[in-house]
Amino acid sequence: DGGITQSPKYLFRKEGQNVTLSCEQNLNHDAMYWYRQDPGQGLRLIYYSQIVNDFQKGDIAEGYSVSREKKESFPLTVTSAQKNPTAFYLCASSIKARVKNIQYFGAGTRLSVL
Amino acid sequence: AQTVTQSQPEMSVQEAETVTLSCTYDTSESDYYLFWYKQPPSRQMILVIRQEAYKQQNATENRFSVNFQKAAKSFSLKISDSQLGDAAMYFCAFNTDKLIFGTGTRLQVFP
Repeated sequence: DGGITQSPKYLFRKEGQNVTLSCEQNLNHDAMYWYRQDPGQGLRLIYYSQIVNDFQKGDIAEGYSVSREKKESFPLTVTSAQKNPTAFYLCASSIKARVKNIQYFGAGTRLSVL
Repeated sequence: AQTVTQSQPEMSVQEAETVTLSCTYDTSESDYYLFWYKQPPSRQMILVIRQEAYKQQNATENRFSVNFQKAAKSFSLKISDSQLGDAAMYFCAFNTDKLIFGTGTRLQVFP
């Protein structure tokens, strides 16, 4: 089945630690996105990538980093510089990064701080 | 600034009845798309319906339809014949160069 797989489902981070959230898609989509969701808020864009080896900052990129070495994969690293990382993280993809294209979402990763 | 406002944090509806969720947005762009996404307790975002801003005809998908008023920048979602499985958070969003979400409306469905 085609879709977007995020792992792990739950993740815990210790102080000063970097953690990486995985996002894999087999939809052959060019564009991929990372969003953060906090209680009572909508989704906010962290980073997005339109093609392999290229990515751009979204609205809240500070304290996060990404890579796009393969079309299928867009991992997100939450660095120790992100002081409030506890949130629900959603990965999405679309055929192209165009206004009309539908973004399809993974099931998310919940990150908590120990 | 481009914004999306959902003024109803919570709504409730009786099973088989109709409910309308409100959404307004603000943009100076003329070419954009509007979306309603559903987030059930599993937390996965699922597309409900999409509307092209240059089309006057309101989009429909089975029991879901929208009332798109471009001049008023309003994009409400109507759910007809509500079912227990419709209970979820509903997010309105629009896409110019990026997808911008509202804060969501929690819909409860009572039997």
